[in-house]
Amino acid sequence: EADIYQTPRYLVIGTGKKITLECSQTMGHDKMYWYQQDPGMELHLIHYSYGVNSTEKGDLSSESTVSRIRTEHFPLTLESARPSHTSQYLCASSPDRGLTGNTIYFGEGSWLTVV
Amino acid sequence: GNSVTQMEGPVTLSEEAFLTINCTYTATGYPSLFWYVQYPGEGLQLLLKATKADDKGSNKGFEATYRKETTSFHLEKGSVQVSDSAVYFCALSNSGNTPLVFGKGTRLSVIA
Repeated sequence: EADIYQTPRYLVIGTGKKITLECSQTMGHDKMYWYQQDPGMELHLIHYSYGVNSTEKGDLSSESTVSRIRTEHFPLTLESARPSHTSQYLCASSPDRGLTGNTIYFGEGSWLTVV
Repeated sequence: GNSVTQMEGPVTLSEEAFLTINCTYTATGYPSLFWYVQYPGEGLQLLLKATKADDKGSNKGFEATYRKETTSFHLEKGSVQVSDSAVYFCALSNSGNTPLVFGKGTRLSVIA
């Protein structure tokens, strides 16, 4: 059973608002990820981190930013939300064993709607 | 680069039908292969995985065999249930330091 938590699960906010999506895991995993999932189901990696103070941009360009000050916490922030940011955001983590085959564990997702 | 191609859905089956969802990959070296499942309103969860050629992953009646010669990892289940309705993602990992690469997902609907 994965112990990775995302809040809020559902959020509707107005254009121009700042929003932070929270993600925490209690498994001590070094690696954490943010994926954006569009209505057509495809997953896009937008940010990842391989440890404290390490962050990288993913395959899909995103106006969001992330930080990794603590191992267990990987928040994602949108400084000024726009309707194009409406999507589901999935946080994930995996152990760092330096090998392939590491399972990625996902949170339940945060559904963001910008009006 | 690394990539995963899986059959497009949606796939609609009657209960107890046989399921195959095709997945092929492109990668250098010896990747690990995964199937994840996403039930409505939830995040993804690992269904099964295989870490080397000829390995068979299995879970909940689903199976997939890592075929290096055909670069495939097709998902199968002999008799689907309504509760199997979900989106299924094939994925690969080609090193410990690169994120998983996902396919685009295949939506399965099982009707009673």
